[in-house]
Amino acid sequence: DAGITQSPRHKVTETGTPVTLRCHQTENHRYMYWYRQDPGHGLRLIHYSYGVKDTDKGEVSDGYSVSRSKTEDFLLTLESATSSQTSVYFCAISEMTGASYEQYFGPGTRLTVT
Amino acid sequence: AQTVTQSQPEMSVQEAETVTLSCTYDTSESDYYLFWYKQPPSRQMILVIRQEAYKQQNATENRFSVNFQKAAKSFSLKISDSQLGDAAMYFCAYRTPRVGGGATNKLIFGTGTLLAVQP
Repeated sequence: DAGITQSPRHKVTETGTPVTLRCHQTENHRYMYWYRQDPGHGLRLIHYSYGVKDTDKGEVSDGYSVSRSKTEDFLLTLESATSSQTSVYFCAISEMTGASYEQYFGPGTRLTVT
Repeated sequence: AQTVTQSQPEMSVQEAETVTLSCTYDTSESDYYLFWYKQPPSRQMILVIRQEAYKQQNATENRFSVNFQKAAKSFSLKISDSQLGDAAMYFCAYRTPRVGGGATNKLIFGTGTLLAVQP
């Protein structure tokens, strides 16, 4: 258990409203990630962070922003939600295991934009 | 850019039998890591097994083993003595070994294979 929680676990929102998803970790991991999961696409990286206030874009970052003001929290914000952002969102951390950094995932947040 | 392909959207296996899930990838790098993740109906992503590209020996974790063919860029997962609890979506993933800031430690996923286990 990598000590990752996500909130909320489920959310329904309307098109055009702002939404913030929170990822919280308890073990001081440096690297954190946000992915989205859609049928036929697997998981795709939205944004990632390699330290406090250090973030970068992934392959599907349009329409999303992130912030990391402290090590334990990584926030994903949809400034104006659209129906195409209906998805399951996963947070992940990287943990050093032997010579490898392995990623461990939170439980996911199901977001529905109506 | 690296890509990961899982060509079997769905598979089925009888309980106690063996099943192999396929994965191919494309990369120009010589050093990287490959992973299999399991996603049961609970939606939790669970790391099953990993393979370092520089190791010739195939990784094994209990009933799970891989067949890593570096030249063919193939990374299949074999599940032996299948159990009802093995029913899940399985994802193959690729990662480069570099660490530090920038485009590092990212996972590139395949589209998944949904495995059903018949009693």
